[in-house]
Amino acid sequence: EPEVTQTPSHQVTQMGQEVILRCVPISNHLYFYWYRQILGQKVEFLVSFYNNEISEKSEIFDDQFSVERPDGSNFTLKIRSTKLEDSAMYFCASSEWAGYEKLFFGSGTQLSVL
Amino acid sequence: DAKTTQPPSMDCAEGRAANLPCNHSTISGNEYVYWYRQIHSQGPQYIIHGLKNNETNEMASLIITEDRKSSTLILPHATLRDTAVYYCIVRVADNAGNMLTFGGGTRLMVKP
Repeated sequence: EPEVTQTPSHQVTQMGQEVILRCVPISNHLYFYWYRQILGQKVEFLVSFYNNEISEKSEIFDDQFSVERPDGSNFTLKIRSTKLEDSAMYFCASSEWAGYEKLFFGSGTQLSVL
Repeated sequence: DAKTTQPPSMDCAEGRAANLPCNHSTISGNEYVYWYRQIHSQGPQYIIHGLKNNETNEMASLIITEDRKSSTLILPHATLRDTAVYYCIVRVADNAGNMLTFGGGTRLMVKP
């Protein structure tokens, strides 16, 4: 079965630094998403992206966050100035269509902000 | 503002059927019921979804009551690898995207 690939699997950074989390969605998918999960808490929606623009975003997705599809295969999440509370597992997901289509999630990037 | 209610945890013996309940008494007519699971902090994995008819695939069966106020996910022969957190999610299947709202889910422990 095709997979969503995320790199790196672990990222450690200093508070205030910029980080870029990378994802390669499934090749024929058109909708892309970022979710995050703070240790011991629920999976939270951050943003959805379609046709090179943001479709929906949550309150968490503030000006410190941005997403980009720099080429035909990668989908990135940038955090401009990391805070301690940004430490979490970040999941990328993709789906072929919107609506009732199922989401395929990657295995995540564990971000630790020191 | 949770739309679903699930028991926080359940146990199941290996090889037996696991029946995971979900209450969604305020579900709207155009909302689907989705089930995902998360194995030990891996990315959530889609299991099955339905509107009002019962559904079955290679992973599980979904039974939705006639009034659609509750549903049950059935894993017919649970294995140790089915130990995970199972999420029941209701959402409108429209073209606005796929913002899934995950609740606390049910932590299923399959025991030998």
